[in-house]
Amino acid sequence: QSLLTQPPSASGTPGQRVTISCSGSSSNIGSNTVNWYQQLPGTAPKLLIYSNNQRTSGVPDRFSGSKSGASASLAFSGLQSEDEADYYCAAWDDSLNGVVFGGGTKLTVL
Amino acid sequence: EVQLLESGGGLVQPGGSLRLSCAASGFTFSRYAMSWVRQGPGKGLEWVSSISGSGSSTYYAVSVTGLFTISRDNSKNTLYLQMNSLRAEDTAVYYCAKFNRAGYSSGNYFDYWGQGTLVTVSS
Repeated sequence: QSLLTQPPSASGTPGQRVTISCSGSSSNIGSNTVNWYQQLPGTAPKLLIYSNNQRTSGVPDRFSGSKSGASASLAFSGLQSEDEADYYCAAWDDSLNGVVFGGGTKLTVL
Repeated sequence: EVQLLESGGGLVQPGGSLRLSCAASGFTFSRYAMSWVRQGPGKGLEWVSSISGSGSSTYYAVSVTGLFTISRDNSKNTLYLQMNSLRAEDTAVYYCAKFNRAGYSSGNYFDYWGQGTLVTVSS
């Protein structure tokens, strides 16, 4: 059971706007920044968004991150087929003194 | 270009031991904290252990405390994970990941990952 809760799946058609949620608690998202990782099929994870809403170099601006209270979200504006991947949110947890991950969301482009 | 290359994975019997290595290049290794993150078959990501840039401080997930030992050799730009008393639930791909800073604290995130090495614990 992950400390951060994500929907197991999400989907959309090309060009559509899709959002993935990540819910935590006061000991993690509520008091620390959120990072998002993209894992393309058969590859290692890659940092996508850090510090809630900062895009890593090379990440297109159709990806955006936000945080409110103990929840965060990753948004895709204008979904593309190459966005099909697993997405993980992560945050520092003060109680565990370590990084906690969400269970991951598999994004399917229909 | 930052590169992290893991090695040392393989098949091991329950109760056995294994040592993973991660050779780093493309950055000043000693200036950054490093970590191991694992992913069980068909499962999500799980933080395993971290070590500060100097190697003086180490941190472990509850699930591996007392069983795994993280270390680093800054003269060789290499990170290690010694895994003892392995159990079936330790079966996973183990990723070496670089933190964005030398210390270990909130605000850290994994900015680079290796390709992973598979550890299978089975009789």
